[in-house]
Amino acid sequence: SQELEQSPQSLIVQEGKNLTINCTSSKTLYGLYWYKQKYGEGLIFLMMLQKGGEEKSHEKITAKLDEKKQQSSLHITASQPSHAGIYLCGAIKGAQKLVFGQGTRLTINP
Amino acid sequence: DTGVSQNPRHKITKRGQNVTFRCDPISEHNRLYWYRQTLGQGPEFLTYFQNEAQLEKSRLLSDRFSAERPKGSFSTLEIQRTEQGDSAMYLCASSDRDRGGQETQYFGPGTRLLVL
Repeated sequence: SQELEQSPQSLIVQEGKNLTINCTSSKTLYGLYWYKQKYGEGLIFLMMLQKGGEEKSHEKITAKLDEKKQQSSLHITASQPSHAGIYLCGAIKGAQKLVFGQGTRLTINP
Repeated sequence: DTGVSQNPRHKITKRGQNVTFRCDPISEHNRLYWYRQTLGQGPEFLTYFQNEAQLEKSRLLSDRFSAERPKGSFSTLEIQRTEQGDSAMYLCASSDRDRGGQETQYFGPGTRLLVL
């Protein structure tokens, strides 16, 4: 069963618009990672969050981890075509392995 | 380029054949991971190494799968007697702990396997 649920599964937005992707866990998250994947390629690390209430930004992408450490959101401001791809959240489980959500496919329309 | 590299990038094989993939991690990263990703899904953990020791294997890793990291540097993943259900993207990642104690897995470009 999927331990991390991402929503929405796919998203189409107009270039320049803001958007938010959510990642929800039924268990407390000890380390939440966000990756981006272009179709047919590997994963590119975006950000990692550990502390409840933590927020990090990189360029126009902001990720937050809620106080209870069970939900994270990824927000993109003024989206661009370069933001298109699949966004994956991952959480540490056990010793070191990552468990991933099913991904959110983002399409940016010009 | 000092990132994780994987070879080959694509592999097409016939059912029943053996295939081997190679992963070269980021230099001096002591942890190396293998994941499998099917279409529309997130990657699923297969196995991981700390240096040359294989410390954990998923039950997804049937006895047809074997992974090695003989010198604690590059790793190989072999699939024997391939089946059509083995068709997937095989991803390798490596990690090390930074000064702040944070561990981040960096992924390679993947090997896409198609079993006919």
